[in-house]
Amino acid sequence: DAGITQSPRHKVTETGTPVTLRCHQTENHRYMYWYRQDPGHGLRLIHYSYGVKDTDKGEVSDGYSVSRSKTEDFLLTLESATSSQTSVYFCAISQAVNTEAFFGQGTRLTVV
Amino acid sequence: AQSVTQLGSHVSVSEGALVLLRCNYSSSVPPYLFWYVQYPNQGLQLLLKYTSAATLVKGINGFEAEFKKSETSFHLTKPSAHMSDAAEYFCARAQGNEKLTFGTGTRLTIIP
Repeated sequence: DAGITQSPRHKVTETGTPVTLRCHQTENHRYMYWYRQDPGHGLRLIHYSYGVKDTDKGEVSDGYSVSRSKTEDFLLTLESATSSQTSVYFCAISQAVNTEAFFGQGTRLTVV
Repeated sequence: AQSVTQLGSHVSVSEGALVLLRCNYSSSVPPYLFWYVQYPNQGLQLLLKYTSAATLVKGINGFEAEFKKSETSFHLTKPSAHMSDAAEYFCARAQGNEKLTFGTGTRLTIIP
């Protein structure tokens, strides 16, 4: 993997609790992304960042927020987790918006 | 929104047989196109990419893909399947300021 670390790798949480997933990169790439992967849907973009404190929504952003206070860290927060947010979450990085992205190992989140 | 379509959510081939995974894109202007592979419990790994240079693109692990503008296709092939090729494969596109958009994936099974 291209210097991308996601934490935690697995998490089980209860409905209604807040959850924060962390992505850390050592590649100094400008763009960072959060995707969720669900059977039959492929990967869907939740939010992305194009620089420190610069973020924007993806196609499935409802119920999620993000923050990027440093180039290397991109946090995804579920303010109040719901069962529909049970998924595998992937962080990705890229040097430019329309180039290949490099992916982390994923975080498997279960909301019970 | 522009998209990619992967035909066949599951493909099975015998070991040693030709692998053909199909991907079609929608846009009048050819986008950048990518194939990724995902092994169980791992992130996505870039196999190859098309960025308007050669139409036949060679990737890792013996895979290649041919860009055909007349068919708006970017199918992935490998002459002889190995057991280690069993994985899920994703086609993706990007163009201009458009971020990577993924197909829904094709799960490849290799029959011994």
